[in-house]
Amino acid sequence: EAGVAQSPRYKIIEKRQSVAFWCNPISGHATLYWYQQILGQGPKLLIQFQNNGVVDDSQLPKDRFSAERLKGVDSTLKIQPAKLEDSAVYLCASSLGWSLGGAETGELFFGEGSRLTVL
Amino acid sequence: QKEVEQNSGPLSVPEGAIASLNCTYSDRGSQSFFWYRQYSGKSPELIMFIYSNGDKEDGRFTAQLNKASQYVSLLIRDSQPSDSATYLCAVANNNDMRFGAGTRLTVKP
Repeated sequence: EAGVAQSPRYKIIEKRQSVAFWCNPISGHATLYWYQQILGQGPKLLIQFQNNGVVDDSQLPKDRFSAERLKGVDSTLKIQPAKLEDSAVYLCASSLGWSLGGAETGELFFGEGSRLTVL
Repeated sequence: QKEVEQNSGPLSVPEGAIASLNCTYSDRGSQSFFWYRQYSGKSPELIMFIYSNGDKEDGRFTAQLNKASQYVSLLIRDSQPSDSATYLCAVANNNDMRFGAGTRLTVKP
């Protein structure tokens, strides 16, 4: 079974430039997450999709970050304009979904991440 | 604000010892609890999940949950150098999964 695919793996940009990350989840996984992980910290949820609808984007800095999941499969996360504090690893994860008592379906499968450095 | 708190460590144990990792959470509506392991430069991978009070064992790993105290822990028996990693506690309320900052564990040969 193919895992979660992300690209690019590494990106270096200057502040005020823009960048886009792409994610292809595991086939059949309805839920897709974007997390931001700053060095030494745990993953912070940016946005969660259920199929192609947004479930939670309360921690997404909407003045500069945007994300979409067209057709309920692939997703793109964009940052425009980037700031120095956006330097982090952007993790995409997918899961089958949730049902009460079905904790095992809540397991998140992570991609290898996209490491962003903003100079 | 839903908080998940972990001791950042580092926690250092000798090979063969028991490593004990702790996590507290603020959202009383949380239903599912996960422990992920993250090697340096790698993505998190699931070790265990638990959603009922009590203990759950899987090989050398035991997860413990106490919902009344809003506390979840992970015990690693017979620790090996390969267990050296950051351990992330994750807490979920239906679709909403939040991670702690992680505890860095070092197992010394």
